[in-house]
Amino acid sequence: GENVEQHPSTLSVQEGDSAVIKCTYSDSASNYFPWYKQELGKRPQLIIDIRSNVGEKKDQRIAVTLNKTAKHFSLHITETQPEDSAVYFCAAKRAQNTGFQKLVFGTGTRLLVSP
Amino acid sequence: GAVVSQHPSRVICKSGTSVKIECRSLDFQATTMFWYRQFPKQSLMLMATSNEGSKATYEQGVEKDKFLINHASLTLSTLTVTSAHPEDSSFYICSARYGASNNEQFFGPGTRLTVL
Repeated sequence: GENVEQHPSTLSVQEGDSAVIKCTYSDSASNYFPWYKQELGKRPQLIIDIRSNVGEKKDQRIAVTLNKTAKHFSLHITETQPEDSAVYFCAAKRAQNTGFQKLVFGTGTRLLVSP
Repeated sequence: GAVVSQHPSRVICKSGTSVKIECRSLDFQATTMFWYRQFPKQSLMLMATSNEGSKATYEQGVEKDKFLINHASLTLSTLTVTSAHPEDSSFYICSARYGASNNEQFFGPGTRLTVL
């Protein structure tokens, strides 16, 4: 089955700096890669996603890049702000024959943005 | 749009009792619902996937007789933790998706279960 690894586990940056979180996946058939932000005790919130037919996607300060050959994808946050502090999860999804498409999550990155 | 609710948000129960958690899609019909468990400072682990009107598909290592899932309608799925024990204490989160071809899942706010 799919295995998703995520690095780093913790990341501390100063306000205004950029933050990069990287994930690798094992299943070459995975075709959908979302990123979630989760604040303590809250639900995961989708912040950006990318499909396997696209190499890069950007939404204001957030961007995601995908390298299908190397099977890795990254989240880039520019001009970080204290409110970006949270745990970020990457995930990968493969379309299965049964139609039960399930997300496999990475281990999470705790981002701390200091003022 | 695409709002998913969960009830209760927190529950404390005694060891040996059963607890039912509800997951509702408020403004869309959820053809598929997922149940996750998240231990402190850990990732979300998928427990089971259910399609409306079908039996749930459980992930390896998840006891189907202990975690009963019912997806009786397109807007409601329930997870019942039977004979709960302290090691079942966790954050349980559901998510829902509409349509087999849609990628995005919408997550509920989670239920914090504490078993004494």
